[in-house]
Amino acid sequence: SQQGEEDPQALSIQEGENATMNCSYKTSINNLQWYRQNSGRGLVHLILIRSNEREKHSGRLRVTLDTSKKSSSLLITASRAADTASYFCATDADQAGTALIFGKGTTLSVSS
Amino acid sequence: KAGVTQTPRYLIKTRGQQVTLSCSPISGHRSVSWYQQTPGQGLQFLFEYFSETQRNKGNFPGRFSGRQFSNSRSEMNVSTLELGDSALYLCASSLRGQSYNEQFFGPGTRLTVL
Repeated sequence: SQQGEEDPQALSIQEGENATMNCSYKTSINNLQWYRQNSGRGLVHLILIRSNEREKHSGRLRVTLDTSKKSSSLLITASRAADTASYFCATDADQAGTALIFGKGTTLSVSS
Repeated sequence: KAGVTQTPRYLIKTRGQQVTLSCSPISGHRSVSWYQQTPGQGLQFLFEYFSETQRNKGNFPGRFSGRQFSNSRSEMNVSTLELGDSALYLCASSLRGQSYNEQFFGPGTRLTVL
């Protein structure tokens, strides 16, 4: 079953613009992570935010977490063509945290 | 440091056959998780191994099984293949498999069942 649901499913922007993706989840979490996947290849970890954190930055990435609304957002600033990929949020499925539940992802297309 | 490797990268099988996929984690990582990715269901957790023990299992039939060796390498096996088993199978390794640990994914094995 899906825990996280990303919104929008697809996003097309021009280079230099910002891209915002949202993720909603259903149950309480310990951590939420964002991953990127390029064209059916392996996933690359982008950022992890703990349940007691509200915002986190990493380079051009900014992640926010609102546990009261069970939602998170990923902002990519000054997008580049190389950012074209699918982006997934993942939450821990249980207290042991050994399984991640992924949303269906947002497909981002950045054109030059 | 070498990344997570998966073999083979591509596999074509027919219904009813069985298949074994292999995953070598990053050196020092003791947790290996397996995920199935399909266009319809997305990424779904199969199981996780830590120090040769299965710690967690997703909602998949018993045809899906796995194991982990003392060097942390892991294999997953799918018996009596069905058309719906066609998918990208991803393995991920992490230091201890805790939710605060980053998971490092391999490139995946693309399985096609004919």
